Amino acid sequence: AQKVTQAQTEISVVEKEDVTLDCVYETRDTTYYLFWYKQPPSGELVFLIRRNSFDEQNEISGRYSWNFQKSTSSFNFTITASQVVDSAVYFCALTSTDSWGKLQFGAGTQVVVTP
Amino acid sequence: NAGVTQTPKFQVLKTGQSMTLQCAQDMNHEYMSWYRQDPGMGLRLIHYSVGAGITDQGEVPNGYNVSRSTTEDFPLRLLSAAPSQTSVYFCASSYGQGREQFFGPGTRLTVL
Repeated sequence: AQKVTQAQTEISVVEKEDVTLDCVYETRDTTYYLFWYKQPPSGELVFLIRRNSFDEQNEISGRYSWNFQKSTSSFNFTITASQVVDSAVYFCALTSTDSWGKLQFGAGTQVVVTP
Repeated sequence: NAGVTQTPKFQVLKTGQSMTLQCAQDMNHEYMSWYRQDPGMGLRLIHYSVGAGITDQGEVPNGYNVSRSTTEDFPLRLLSAAPSQTSVYFCASSYGQGREQFFGPGTRLTVL
């Protein structure tokens, strides 16, 4: 069985602060993919990043960065110098060879950025 | 490309009524899925398809039916609506194994 845990329900920060969202996953497969999605208040789901289990390099895209550590089964997401537009719910998700077609989501973390 | 489209955007049903949520994609994606989103629970998979004519159950399939007669369309049928099916429903599609899923705008369903 697969599982994705996002232990932080809500994080509140003041603009320009950094914020890190935790994601811990469980899978028995050696080949799997991890994802982060953003859901702004308007409700749509926006794909942010995809990472496969064989690539542990950290990734940076503008103010966003991701830290993938297989040793701790974590795929954490950091927003640097947060902005009000970053206010959203962020979901971590997992799929694997045992379940292609199925995306297992975490419960999500609500990020609130105040000016 | 319109991407993934869903209709209707909003729907109110009475208990026991049936209806079909429509989903279509124009990206020639093999994989399509239906999720429901409830507060505090993330998105849960209802049914999915890995190609035309092939469907399978997800985590919460009871009360829902699907079929996939074409690559483009993946309708979700509620057989006899119940208040527990009040939720936001998202359809998604992807190129294939391990690829990111693209989501439709969602359908907000209320069952009275």
